[in-house]
Amino acid sequence: DAGITQSPRHKVTETGTPVTLRCHQTENHRYMYWYRQDPGHGLRLIHYSYGVKDTDKGEVSDGYSVSRSKTEDFLLTLESATSSQTSVYFCAISETKGVNTEAFFGQGTRLTVV
Amino acid sequence: GQNIDQPTEMTATEGAIVQINCTYQTSGFNGLFWYQQHAGEAPTFLSYNVLDGLEEKGRFSSFLSRSKGYSYLLLKELQMKDSASYLCAVMDSNYQLIWGAGTKLIIKP
Repeated sequence: DAGITQSPRHKVTETGTPVTLRCHQTENHRYMYWYRQDPGHGLRLIHYSYGVKDTDKGEVSDGYSVSRSKTEDFLLTLESATSSQTSVYFCAISETKGVNTEAFFGQGTRLTVV
Repeated sequence: GQNIDQPTEMTATEGAIVQINCTYQTSGFNGLFWYQQHAGEAPTFLSYNVLDGLEEKGRFSSFLSRSKGYSYLLLKELQMKDSASYLCAVMDSNYQLIWGAGTKLIIKP
């Protein structure tokens, strides 16, 4: 299995509180992504990173921020959680090696905002 | 804009063969991925195509035609455990993964 772990795996938080989700990889992959997955929407990109301190917004970035101070860690912060941010969050990593590119997912974090 | 299209749902019989199609229009192309996702679980990698042609991996094969913006995933000797959603994704020129909405595959005995 690819070396990518997300923490926590489950979290319940109250509306208005900040929440940080962590993605940790041991593959030394350059690209890291945060997605949310909701019924009827598939995977939607929140933010992604193409290197340390290099990040960019995805299609649903409002209300989220990210940081990548080390290759292995990509943090997603919900600045003030809202009920609409109740979702399953997936981290993914990717790297191109020669003509091949590999991309793997973490196990996911189920976040409930009450 | 960028777009990935795949059927919403397909039904097949245990032991049979099923082909799941994916068409795409993206800004650049750095390969096409197929993933399997069981309900409540993370997507798991099935295949990666960057050159035209067929890649075979056990019961699963994936085909790519870059000129047609088309791929398919072929599943042979279907088993009940193959019931899942199958996600098609294209990596664009910015190394972003562009995702289809997924195809829910239902296997009947």
